[in-house]
Amino acid sequence: NAGVTQTPKFQVLKTGQSMTLQCAQDMNHEYMSWYRQDPGMGLRLIHYSVGAGITDQGEVPNGYNVSRSTTEDFPLRLLSAAPSQTSVYFCASSLQQGPFTEAFFGQGTRLTVV
Amino acid sequence: GQQVMQIPQYQHVQEGEDFTTYCNSSTTLSNIQWYKQRPGGHPVFLIQLVKSGEVKKQKRLTFQFGEAKKNSSLHITATQTTDVGTYFCAGPGSGYSTLTFGKGTMLLVSP
Repeated sequence: NAGVTQTPKFQVLKTGQSMTLQCAQDMNHEYMSWYRQDPGMGLRLIHYSVGAGITDQGEVPNGYNVSRSTTEDFPLRLLSAAPSQTSVYFCASSLQQGPFTEAFFGQGTRLTVV
Repeated sequence: GQQVMQIPQYQHVQEGEDFTTYCNSSTTLSNIQWYKQRPGGHPVFLIQLVKSGEVKKQKRLTFQFGEAKKNSSLHITATQTTDVGTYFCAGPGSGYSTLTFGKGTMLLVSP
């Protein structure tokens, strides 16, 4: 099993550009989520999904869109990149929804917006 | 949603010294999880605590959940350079459907 796979690992965008961060898991996990990590801010939840076709907003959703058409994939779209979106993005998956289940994280995508 | 506060933000120790990080909440937590993130890496699950007063050990790491289930601690005995990284606690988020992470404690160990 590959676990949680994120692509790309690194990306530089110009302000105003759009892009999609890919996330795929092969563990048949129902719950998937996206976090951003900024220095001194910990991990902040952007969006999450409790199953195919169901998504919801987290703590910092503005400027990001998600969809969940399959159990395996949970892409994160930046609609119009801004320098404030420079961050490290982590995708995570869990067997079930809720705080009791171990979260498995991908390797992360380091995004710079110039 | 619930918030978990972690202290200290940063600690630098000499190899062999002990280290403790604390996680506090203003409300009762159903459970608490701990993760470790190596520099340049991704968070990796360490352990989960569920019961009041629970203590769990993993080699040199000791995890505690407070009696009131409002605080937790991670203690490392005789740190090693391999312990370097950021340690996060995580508790229930809004509606108990998500995980909320503390800001983490960054541990640096000098040989």
